[in-house]
Amino acid sequence: GENVEQHPSTLSVQEGDSAVIKCTYSDSASNYFPWYKQELGKRPQLIIDIRSNVGEKKDQRIAVTLNKTAKHFSLHITETQPEDSAVYFCAATPEAAGNKLTFGGGTRVLVKP
Amino acid sequence: GAVVSQHPSWVICKSGTSVKIECRSLDFQATTMFWYRQFPKQSLMLMATSNEGSKATYEQGVEKDKFLINHASLTLSTLTVTSAHPEDSSFYICSARGMQLRGSYNEQFFGPGTRLTVL
Repeated sequence: GENVEQHPSTLSVQEGDSAVIKCTYSDSASNYFPWYKQELGKRPQLIIDIRSNVGEKKDQRIAVTLNKTAKHFSLHITETQPEDSAVYFCAATPEAAGNKLTFGGGTRVLVKP
Repeated sequence: GAVVSQHPSWVICKSGTSVKIECRSLDFQATTMFWYRQFPKQSLMLMATSNEGSKATYEQGVEKDKFLINHASLTLSTLTVTSAHPEDSSFYICSARGMQLRGSYNEQFFGPGTRLTVL
């Protein structure tokens, strides 16, 4: 089955700086890669996603890049704000698996004012 | 976006009792629902996948007889934790997905979670 590794596990940045989170996956059949933001005690919220036919996608201050050959994808948050503080999860799924998501271990991001 | 609710939002029970958690899709028909468990400071671990009208498919290591899943309608799935023990204390989250279009991925919409504490 799929295995997703996520790094770093914690990330502390100064407000205004950029944050980068990296994930690697093992199943070459995976073709959909969502990123979720989860605040303490709340549900995961989809913040951006990318499909394997696209190398990069951007939505305002967040962007995701995908390298299919190397089987890794990254989340980039620019001009970080205190409200970006949360736990971020990457995930991967091959559509043939019935959309079963395999999550990375999570990254706890702290944006210091 | 689609809305998924869970009930209860939190529950405290005594060891040995059973607890039922409901997951409802409020404004769409969920052909598939997923149940996850999340321990403190850990990731979401998929427990089982349920499709409406059929038996749930459990992930390796998840006890079918302990975690009973019923997906009787297109808007409701239930997870019953039978004979709960303190080690079952966790945050249980469901997600729901609508009819999958061929060759595409349908977003999963997550419920708000249920925090179970077993004394």
